Parts: sequence; structure tokens; C-alpha cells
Amino acid sequence: DAGVIQSPRHEVTEMGQEVTLRCKPISGHDYLFWYRQTMMRGLELLIYFNNNVPIDDSGMPEDRFSAKMPNASFSTLKIQPSEPRDSAVYFCASSWGQAQPQHFGDGTRLSIL
Amino acid sequence: RKEVEQDPGPFNVPEGATVAFNCTYSNSASQSFFWYRQDCRKEPKLLMSVYSSGNEDGRFTAQLNRASQYISLLIRDSKLSDSATYLCVVGQAGTALIFGKGTTLSVSS
Repeated sequence: DAGVIQSPRHEVTEMGQEVTLRCKPISGHDYLFWYRQTMMRGLELLIYFNNNVPIDDSGMPEDRFSAKMPNASFSTLKIQPSEPRDSAVYFCASSWGQAQPQHFGDGTRLSIL
Repeated sequence: RKEVEQDPGPFNVPEGATVAFNCTYSNSASQSFFWYRQDCRKEPKLLMSVYSSGNEDGRFTAQLNRASQYISLLIRDSKLSDSATYLCVVGQAGTALIFGKGTTLSVSS
């Protein structure tokens, strides 16, 4: 079975540009999570969805960040405008229950110059 | 108090050693418990779930102490390939899983 699929794997862009990260969860999983990981702050939950509906976005750093889940098989995380401090690894994960194990994608390594 | 706390380490051990990590959690109503493993520059991966009675998977043993609100992971006969960061994860009703910041293990030959 295919796991969680994220794209792109790497993204390097200049400050001020719009960045869009993509995620395809495991089929049948009702929950989708977006995380950001840095050395300083560790793994941070940004937002999560249940049945395509955002449940908790309290981890989204600021209005420059937005996330959508238009259907059960696709989600995006957008940063506009991007800043150097947004540089991190962004993971998408999915699960079949809120307190059940999450399965992570390979991550997107984002560098904002 | 942090919701899930782990000693960040690093734990440096020789091959063949036994090493144990502990993790404490603050919410006594927590319902599910897991250990994840994260290799350098890779995604976190589920290592094992932790059950109330304790459970074993090969060289790995996980235990839960609800009274003291801690979880442990014991690794016997350490291998070089066990070098990674181990994340303690706790589930509560009504929230997403809470990840600890991880304990780094380095196994040397």
C-alpha cells in the first residue's frame, strides 16, 4: 500500500515568494496532520483535519500560513509571503483515528533564502 | 509543566549494551501511548505501541506505569542501526497525539 505522499521533497525559494506544499494521505485515513520540525523547536503540530474539516489550527504560526483539504485524498499547506524563519522540514501525517498511530510522509525540506 | 517530557540525551552506548529511556506525561487521562523512531533527516516512524501490561518486540520492551505517569523503552543488545532519536508519544481524548522532543541514542562499535 502507498504511504503518505508529499511533494515537493525539497524546495528552495527566495523570501517573499509563495510556497505550496502538497500531501496525499493514506487511503481510508480520516485524519490528516501538518507538522513543522526544526532543530530548535522540535516537531510542532500546525493544523489537523478530520474528514476534510480543520479541527485545530492553533499551531499555525501566523496569517501567512494557510492549509486546505478540498477532498479526502489531497491537502495543501501554503505560505505567503515566505520568510527565512520558515525554513524547516514540513511533514504531513495521516491516521484512522485521532489517538491512533500517525503515518508520516517523507517530508518537504524548505529553505527560504 | 510540559505535556510529554523526555531526557534529550544523547545516550552514548557500545554495541551490545542495554539502554533504557523514560518519558513522563502530565495528563492522567491519557489513553494511548507509543514510541516512534526518527533517523537523521528522515520522518518519524512508529516503533511500537505501549500497552498497560507492557509489551515486547524482539529486543525492544515497552512499559507503562499509569500511577506514576511514565512510559519506558528498553533496548537490549544494542546495534549500530539502533542509533536514532526516539520519540515518546501520548494520545488523549479530543486532541491530536502529543509528541515528546525525543531522546537521542548513539551506539558505537
